[in-house]
Amino acid sequence: DIQLTQSPPFLSASVGDRVTITCRASQGISSYLAWYQQKPGKAPKLLIYAASTLQSGVPSRFSGSGSGTEFTLTINSLQPEDFATYYCQQLSSYPLTFGGGTKVEIK
Amino acid sequence: EVQLVESGGGLVQPGGSLRLSCAASGFTFSDHYMDWVRQAPGKGLEWVGRIRKKTNSYTTEYAASVKGRFTISRDDSRNSLYLQMNSLKTEDTAVYYCARLSGNYVDYWGQGTLVTVSS
Repeated sequence: DIQLTQSPPFLSASVGDRVTITCRASQGISSYLAWYQQKPGKAPKLLIYAASTLQSGVPSRFSGSGSGTEFTLTINSLQPEDFATYYCQQLSSYPLTFGGGTKVEIK
Repeated sequence: EVQLVESGGGLVQPGGSLRLSCAASGFTFSDHYMDWVRQAPGKGLEWVGRIRKKTNSYTTEYAASVKGRFTISRDDSRNSLYLQMNSLKTEDTAVYYCARLSGNYVDYWGQGTLVTVSS
């Protein structure tokens, strides 16, 4: 199985900050990676797919990059509604797997 | 508007069975692969399994943790997805989400239904 390691697991930031979350895969997954945002008590929401493609309706302050084994999600100018938990998911091979999550909290 | 509404969750004893349903609307259900994803209380997301569409013979994939115990099926005439869960264990306690695939990626999720396995 492909393991996804997200770092950091927790992140404390202020409104307006630039935030970067990393997702490392245990083996190459090309660009078969998605990023989701989840708020407490809610279903996840797709932000980025194919490593760097912004899902329709998602603000442009979100961006994704990477391929192979290392990927990043960047949030430029963090907004109050961005405080949430973020997950990466690989869709390269079965079983599909998620990273452990990164909780972005208000500093 | 795309909607996915799960139902069928509840309290079940270890070793018991439960069948979850997911009612889809607002899109052509038969055109999409569908996934089940779960989330144990306070934990991260875990992919449970996938069912492909008719043109792919409704084939399925499962996580190792549920393979042989859980079965995913669908009824395109009813726009419904199902998850039959047998031999339930306490570690199956989670919110279960159904999710629509668009291309290779989940683009819509249901609100989830809670399954609690406890004596």
